[in-house]
Amino acid sequence: DAGITQSPRHKVTETGTPVTLRCHQTENHRYMYWYRQDPGHGLRLIHYSYGVKDTDKGEVSDGYSVSRSKTEDFLLTLESATSSQTSVYFCAISETADRNEQFFGPGTRLTVL
Amino acid sequence: AQSVAQPEDQVNVAEGNPLTVKCTYSVSGNPYLFWYVQYPNRGLQFLLKYITGDNLVKGSYGFEAEFNKSQTSFHLKKPSALVSDSALYFCAVRDLSGYSTLTFGKGTMLLVSP
Repeated sequence: DAGITQSPRHKVTETGTPVTLRCHQTENHRYMYWYRQDPGHGLRLIHYSYGVKDTDKGEVSDGYSVSRSKTEDFLLTLESATSSQTSVYFCAISETADRNEQFFGPGTRLTVL
Repeated sequence: AQSVAQPEDQVNVAEGNPLTVKCTYSVSGNPYLFWYVQYPNRGLQFLLKYITGDNLVKGSYGFEAEFNKSQTSFHLKKPSALVSDSALYFCAVRDLSGYSTLTFGKGTMLLVSP
């Protein structure tokens, strides 16, 4: 999976608790992305980063925050998890934002009870 | 706003037959187009892309796609399907005008029967 790891790979948590997912890359790519995958919706962009400390919102950013303090790490935080955030979360990286393809991590399956 | 449509939730084809997975897009400018494949419990894998040039793009695992600007389509094709091609396929588009991120379609499940 192109030098991308995600942790944890599986997590079960309870409504109202904070959750942080980690994406780590060894490719030194500038751009990093967080998506969620839900049946019938495909992949939807949550947040993305175009450099250290540079982030922006995606299509479904409500209830999520991100941080990128190092090139290799991109963290996704659910401040107070809700059942609607039960999903599979994918991290992706790319060298550029336009013509280069994105490479995806293996995903994190999150269940919020 | 940019968008992608994959009109078929599922495509069924017999092994050895040609396959087509359809994708249409909407952008205000010129598009960058991508196809990805997802096997069960895995992340997405890049198959091929259209940036510019030849309308017929060849990619991994014998797949190809044809860019048709007048029909705003980018259908994925393979001359002879394999059972191992069974997977979820995603089309994605990025508008070249202005800064935008990649927009994915909802995905098409391809089932190849022996």
